[in-house]
Amino acid sequence: GQSLEQPSEVTAVEGAIVQINCTYQTSGFYGLSWYQQHDGGAPTFLSYNGLDGLEETGRFSSFLSRSDSYGYLLLQELQMKDSASYFCAGLYSSASKIIFGSGTRLSIRP
Amino acid sequence: DAGVIQSPRHEVTEMGQEVTLRCKPISGHNSLFWYRQTMMRGLELLIYFNNNVPIDDSGMPEDRFSAKMPNASFSTLKIQPSEPRDSAVYFCASSLASQLNTEAFFGQGTRLTVV
Repeated sequence: GQSLEQPSEVTAVEGAIVQINCTYQTSGFYGLSWYQQHDGGAPTFLSYNGLDGLEETGRFSSFLSRSDSYGYLLLQELQMKDSASYFCAGLYSSASKIIFGSGTRLSIRP
Repeated sequence: DAGVIQSPRHEVTEMGQEVTLRCKPISGHNSLFWYRQTMMRGLELLIYFNNNVPIDDSGMPEDRFSAKMPNASFSTLKIQPSEPRDSAVYFCASSLASQLNTEAFFGQGTRLTVV
C-alpha cells in the first residue's frame, strides 16, 4: 500500500524546537516531501528528501531514513506564524503520484 | 504565471444537482492532481493525470465522480448527482513530475457545500 502516518497534534512554545515525525509504506516509494497549510489556505511546499539524510532550508530541516521508512520535519526558533498544519507527502509510482499523510496540527504557545 | 487557478472558489448546491469544478494548471506542468480535504479524512488523492492521461483514479469514491483533462491547460472534476457527504474543499494541484523536481503547486481550492 501507499499510506503515511504522522501525529495528529503537536504543541510547542515560541522560540523552541519541534520535530514532526512521519512513517510511510515503502511500496513504490521514491521520496518524501513536506507541506505547510494555514487555516483556510492551500498546502504549500516546504522541502523534499530524495536521499537519506538531512536537508536544511532556513529554520526548517527535513530528514529521511529509507532503512527505517521514516522521516521528520524539524522546525527551529518557532514563531507564532508557524502555527499551521504540516503534511508529509510520499512520492510514489515513478515519481508522479503524491500521497499525503493525515497532517499534524502544530499549536504554538507564547 | 498566475499559479494554479480553480473555479469556482465557493459552490453551494442542492442534493441531486450536478457540480463541475474547474482547474487550470501551471503552464508547462505535466502532472495534475485532484484532492479532497475534509476534517475526518484529511487530504485524499482522488485522481491524477500525467500528460493529460488519467493514471490512477483509485481514489475516486464512486461512479458519481468523474474527471477529465481534454488538454494540458484545463481539467474538470464532475459530481453527478451530488450528495451532502460530498461537502468538502476540493484542491487541484500541478507539478513538473520528475525524481528531481517534486514540488506540487496547489490552487486555492473550491469549497463545496451540498445541502
